[in-house]
Amino acid sequence: EIVLTQSPGTLSLSPGDRATLSCRPSQTIARSYLTWYQQKPGQAPRLLIYGASNRATGIPDRFSGSGSGTDFTLTISRLEPEDFAIYYCQQYDTSPITFGQGTRLEIK
Amino acid sequence: QVQLQESGPGLVQPSQTLSLICSVSGGSINSADYYWSWIRQHPGQGLQWIGYISYSGTTLYNPSLRSRLSISVDTSKRQFSLRLSSVTAADTAVYYCAREASYGRGADSWGQGTLVTVSS
Repeated sequence: EIVLTQSPGTLSLSPGDRATLSCRPSQTIARSYLTWYQQKPGQAPRLLIYGASNRATGIPDRFSGSGSGTDFTLTISRLEPEDFAIYYCQQYDTSPITFGQGTRLEIK
Repeated sequence: QVQLQESGPGLVQPSQTLSLICSVSGGSINSADYYWSWIRQHPGQGLQWIGYISYSGTTLYNPSLRSRLSISVDTSKRQFSLRLSSVTAADTAVYYCAREASYGRGADSWGQGTLVTVSS
């Protein structure tokens, strides 16, 4: 199965900062099949980005995704207080569908 | 706006079968544009994809669970179901149902999740 490695494990930043989260698949995946989710404590995940760079409905434009192959990035341009959460990448390229282990974005 | 809601026992005995239902409202389950998924999250850990089913009954399962897993759909009731047999404590998790758009467009609607504990 494809292993997704997310880094860093924890990212400590302040509101207004720029956040850069990495997701590296263990083998090349098609750009179309990489998604990003946000999860807050006690809540279900929320879809942020699909197809590596397409924002889901209602997602603010401070969230952007990029990358291809074995190197994908989620960027949050200016952090708002509500952005501090755990972020997961997911691949649909090859079964089984897999998630990364998550990056915790915490307030510095 | 589509809404999903999981239901089922919160406590299951070891070696028994875990059964959950996901009820879909506010949208059609009869669509070729979506798959209906189960995903779980062990306490304090990340997400694990369990499997999905289409409205027509086509399934795809996680190989690590396939021998114990069954996902079914009842379009007349707008429900889909999960059955996981021979459970152990390792199956204790929050179980989510979700709607996944086809062509890798992601899971755009989720249930709130239900905690299932495997214990005697």
